[in-house]
Amino acid sequence: DGGITQSPKYLFRKEGQNVTLSCEQNLNHDAMYWYRQDPGQGLRLIYYSQIVNDFQKGDIAEGYSVSREKKESFPLTVTSAQKNPTAFYLCASSPSGDMGYGYTFGSGTRLTVV
Amino acid sequence: DQQVKQNSPSLSVQEGRISILNCDYTNSMFDYFLWYKKYPAEGPTFLISISSIKDKNEDGRFTVFLNKSAKHLSLHIVPSQPGDSAVYFCAASRKAAGNKLTFGGGTRVLVKP
Repeated sequence: DGGITQSPKYLFRKEGQNVTLSCEQNLNHDAMYWYRQDPGQGLRLIYYSQIVNDFQKGDIAEGYSVSREKKESFPLTVTSAQKNPTAFYLCASSPSGDMGYGYTFGSGTRLTVV
Repeated sequence: DQQVKQNSPSLSVQEGRISILNCDYTNSMFDYFLWYKKYPAEGPTFLISISSIKDKNEDGRFTVFLNKSAKHLSLHIVPSQPGDSAVYFCAASRKAAGNKLTFGGGTRVLVKP
């Protein structure tokens, strides 16, 4: 069964720590994305990658970093520079060039700073 | 600058009646508009989309209308069912901008039995 897997589902971070959220897809999609959702708000784009070894900043990239070494994987690191990291993080993928059906999303990671 | 807006944060409707969700946008260069449905603690799932060259798209109980002159789109759900209770996000994309999706803030729909 094809899909996107995000792990862990819940993650707790201490102040000053870096944490990495995993995102893996077996849909053979070229493009992958990271979004953040805060309570009562929409999804905001953090980073996106349209091809292996290439990625671009989204609207709220400060305090985050990504890598795209494999087509299947797009991990997100939340660094200590991110001042308000507590949020629900969503990874998505899409085939390049086809916007009729949009993205396939993972089930999300809830990150809490303790 | 919020390019996609959903001005109604919530909507309550009786089962069997019509649900109408609204969305406004500011960027006339968007190529596609999409609606996603989201349950708590889950990722959004694609519902229906419409190309900017069309004004209506229908899929079963779901119909999306696009009014380009007003920069407005709406999602109609007929008839509404209790399982439709969720948060609905409007989104828009531009091929020239890498097909990134820009989302509205969402509308929470409650369908009462």
